[in-house]
Amino acid sequence: NAGVTQTPKFQVLKTGQSMTLQCAQDMNHNSMYWYRQDPGMGLRLIYYSASEGTTDKGEVPNGYNVSRLNKREFSLRLESAAPSQTSVYFCASSEIQVYEQYFGPGTRLTVT
Amino acid sequence: AQSVTQLDSQVPVFEEAPVELRCNYSSSVSVYLFWYVQYPNQGLQLLLKYLSGSTLVKGINGFEAEFNKSQTSFHLRKPSVHISDTAEYFCAVRVFGNFNKFYFGSGTKLNVKP
Repeated sequence: NAGVTQTPKFQVLKTGQSMTLQCAQDMNHNSMYWYRQDPGMGLRLIYYSASEGTTDKGEVPNGYNVSRLNKREFSLRLESAAPSQTSVYFCASSEIQVYEQYFGPGTRLTVT
Repeated sequence: AQSVTQLDSQVPVFEEAPVELRCNYSSSVSVYLFWYVQYPNQGLQLLLKYLSGSTLVKGINGFEAEFNKSQTSFHLRKPSVHISDTAEYFCAVRVFGNFNKFYFGSGTKLNVKP
C-alpha cells in the first residue's frame, strides 16, 4: 500500500501561470481533502470531497479549483498563480469508519 | 463554530525531561480527538487518537494524552523526550454530525535540546 501519494514534490511557478497538483489514495476511502500549510497557521482546508462526484469549499477556496476524478484521485488546480499561494500543500483521505485522516508527503509550491 | 487552540507555538525542552503540549477545543457536541506529528519536510502522521472510553490514550513513541471533557482539553505528554522527538505537533478534532471536517490547531514546535 502506497497510502496517499502527491505529485509533484516541488514546483516553482511565475505569477499568472497555472498548474495542477495531483493526489491519489489506494485505501478505498470516500473522503479526500486539500490543505495548505503556512508558518504559524496550521493546516487550512481548501476543498474537500465527501465522496466521488461531490466537492465542497473549505476555509480558503479562493484561487483554487478541484476535481474528484474518481474514487482514488482528487486534483487541485491553480488557474492563475499568485505569490500568496506560495505554501506547502497536503492531500489527505479518510473514511467515517476509519476516524483519522491519512496524509500525503506534500507539495512545496513557490510562486515568484 | 468549532475551534482548536494550541496555546504554545514553541516548546523548548532538554533531552530526557518531561513535556506537555496543550490543546483546547470548543465544541458543543461530542468529538473525536487526534494528535499528529510532522517531522521536518514530511507529511503528518497520526500519534494517537481518542474516540471513546478511557480518557487516557497511549500512542506511538511513548506519547500519551488525556481527554478532559469538562475542560475541553486534550493535552499531550511524554515523561522523557529524545532528540528525535523534535518535530511539530498538531491537535485535531472531528465533530459528531459533521464527520467530513477536521479542525486543526496551529501547531506546537517541540525543540529537544541535548
